[in-house]
Amino acid sequence: AQSVAQPEDQVNVAEGNPLTVKCTYSVSGNPYLFWYVQYPNRGLQFLLKYITGDNLVKGSYGFEAEFNKSQTSFHLKKPSALVSDSALYFCAVRADSSYKLIFGSGTRLLVRP
Amino acid sequence: DTAVSQTPKYLVTQMGNDKSIKCEQNLGHDTMYWYKQDSKKFLKIMFSYNNKELIINETVPNRFSPKSPDKAHLNLHINSLELGDSAVYFCASSQAPLNTDTQYFGPGTRLTVL
Repeated sequence: AQSVAQPEDQVNVAEGNPLTVKCTYSVSGNPYLFWYVQYPNRGLQFLLKYITGDNLVKGSYGFEAEFNKSQTSFHLKKPSALVSDSALYFCAVRADSSYKLIFGSGTRLLVRP
Repeated sequence: DTAVSQTPKYLVTQMGNDKSIKCEQNLGHDTMYWYKQDSKKFLKIMFSYNNKELIINETVPNRFSPKSPDKAHLNLHINSLELGDSAVYFCASSQAPLNTDTQYFGPGTRLTVL
């Protein structure tokens, strides 16, 4: 069975500092990994995905994520946080053999001025 | 604008009523989905249709029935609403049901059952 864990309910960071939002996964076979962001009272917006190839994936709004197969992780990063990055972030995984996209529990990012 | 749209945005109703939520996508995608987001923000897949064929049917009560009249529309009908059905329901679409395809989400429908 596939699963995703986001171990932090909330991440606090000061504006201008780097940020990391953690995600680990468990699947049989190859993982296909996604990050989405949800702003208050809005739908989910796609940020980036890892399918194959380069382990460092670049996405929207200056975000990037690093796929680490040995640690089964796909952490989301940004070199310099903005207050407007404050939102709820979801990691999601799909396995080779499944149509289903499984979401983590979400991590609330709070960037303070 | 190209997008996934849902109506209504808010739905407040009494227990026992029957209601429908509509979803439309103009992205030309073949696959559509319904997700439920509970009060703790946990997101779970409910149903998926590919070319009007049901391909994902999670263990949801049979009071929930999806209907796909064509590839661009996926509606969700809920019979005999219960308090526990209160949640935000998101529609999404993707080009195909492939593992690598990105899903694009609608703005959500907040259902409140009183």
